[in-house]
Amino acid sequence: QQQVKQSPQSLIVQKGGISIINCAYENTAFDYFPWYQQFPGKGPALLIAIRPDVSEKKEGRFTISFNKSAKQFSLHIMDSQPGDSATYFCAASIKNYGGATNKLIFGTGTLLAVQP
Amino acid sequence: EPEVTQTPSHQVTQMGQEVILRCVPISNHLYFYWYRQILGQKVEFLVSFYNNEISEKSEIFDDQFSVERPDGSNFTLKIRSTKLEDSAMYFCASKDRGLSYEQYFGPGTRLTVT
Repeated sequence: QQQVKQSPQSLIVQKGGISIINCAYENTAFDYFPWYQQFPGKGPALLIAIRPDVSEKKEGRFTISFNKSAKQFSLHIMDSQPGDSATYFCAASIKNYGGATNKLIFGTGTLLAVQP
Repeated sequence: EPEVTQTPSHQVTQMGQEVILRCVPISNHLYFYWYRQILGQKVEFLVSFYNNEISEKSEIFDDQFSVERPDGSNFTLKIRSTKLEDSAMYFCASKDRGLSYEQYFGPGTRLTVT
């Protein structure tokens, strides 16, 4: 129940296209859903995040769509660029009211390649 | 822009040796974490630390692991007797207030156990 399932494992998109990565979860106690971008040899970098009280959040070319009833959320990258080529991880977190530490539970990652 | 830093970037050690991985979290942050990522796999939570004590740890974080905040800036992860399966990238992360959710990750330390 603590898992976050992510798909696809890899994705190839043409420059200017839309990249879509999906995640699903079971635990309804999750209340924070970030996406991280990771380049080879680097740490995960927070890209965008959403709370379950909204269905969509947009920041520049990146949009999270959130479907609470389906327990799914997705990352859309509009006008994908070669510089977006990286591994993308979805994650989920529960606020631990005993310690407010909200560990992140990560999906398995999607390797995105944007072809010029 | 403030960032989490980690040293060393790469550590090679022999099986059975002790290693200490160091992190300097963002200066006004209060919550600290260690995660690890085995090559090609997902990032896994190890431990969280707040108010000078462990607040949560995963099954991975057994008696061979310990964490410490020896001064006001460093946060360390010690592995007492390394095993081959400890080879991974280890990431430190930090978060500011209790009500905030955003965790910021460091660049990682690649630990290779031979």
